[in-house]
Amino acid sequence: AQSVTQLDSHVSVSEGTPVLLRCNYSSSYSPSLFWYVQHPNKGLQLLLKYTSAATLVKGINGFEAEFKKSETSFHLTKPSAHMSDAAEYFCVVTSYSNYQLIWGAGTKLIIKP
Amino acid sequence: ETGVTQTPRHLVMGMTNKKSLKCEQHLGHNAMYWYKQSAKKPLELMFVYSLEERVENNSVPSRFSPECPNSSHLFLHLHTLQPEDSALYLCASSQDMGGISYNEQFFGPGTRLTVL
Repeated sequence: AQSVTQLDSHVSVSEGTPVLLRCNYSSSYSPSLFWYVQHPNKGLQLLLKYTSAATLVKGINGFEAEFKKSETSFHLTKPSAHMSDAAEYFCVVTSYSNYQLIWGAGTKLIIKP
Repeated sequence: ETGVTQTPRHLVMGMTNKKSLKCEQHLGHNAMYWYKQSAKKPLELMFVYSLEERVENNSVPSRFSPECPNSSHLFLHLHTLQPEDSALYLCASSQDMGGISYNEQFFGPGTRLTVL
């Protein structure tokens, strides 16, 4: 069965420093993986997706993620945090049917001035 | 209006009330979804509609009743809810349900529901 674990419920970084949000997945086949972002009072927005092409995936707003099969990880990174990055981030994996998404519990990213 | 809209944005109801949540997508998509988002829990898929036909009902209690009159509109009718049903209810749409490839789902801002 597919599952996804976000290793931190909260991450706090200073503005201008790197961001690392960790995600591990479990899948019995080659999954598609995604990161979604949810800003307060706004809908979920797709940040980036991995669908078995390049393992390093670039997304919007300077975020990127690397698919590492050997480590079953799909961590999200950004070289320099901005105040507008404060939001909740969700790691997601597809199930056997591609419309069924398996969601992580979310990581709240806090940016300190 | 563009994208996916949801009304109302906030709703407070008693356990004996009947209310409805509305979702509208302006993207020309064929599939629509209802999700429940509770604090500290992963998003839960409730219902999926494809071309106005329900294709998924993830063991949702009958006090939640979906309706999809056309491919642009999706409703969630609520009656005799419980306090534990308080959550953010999100609507999403995608071009199609997806088969061998994933169809990106576009989300509305949600309805914050409080059941007293």
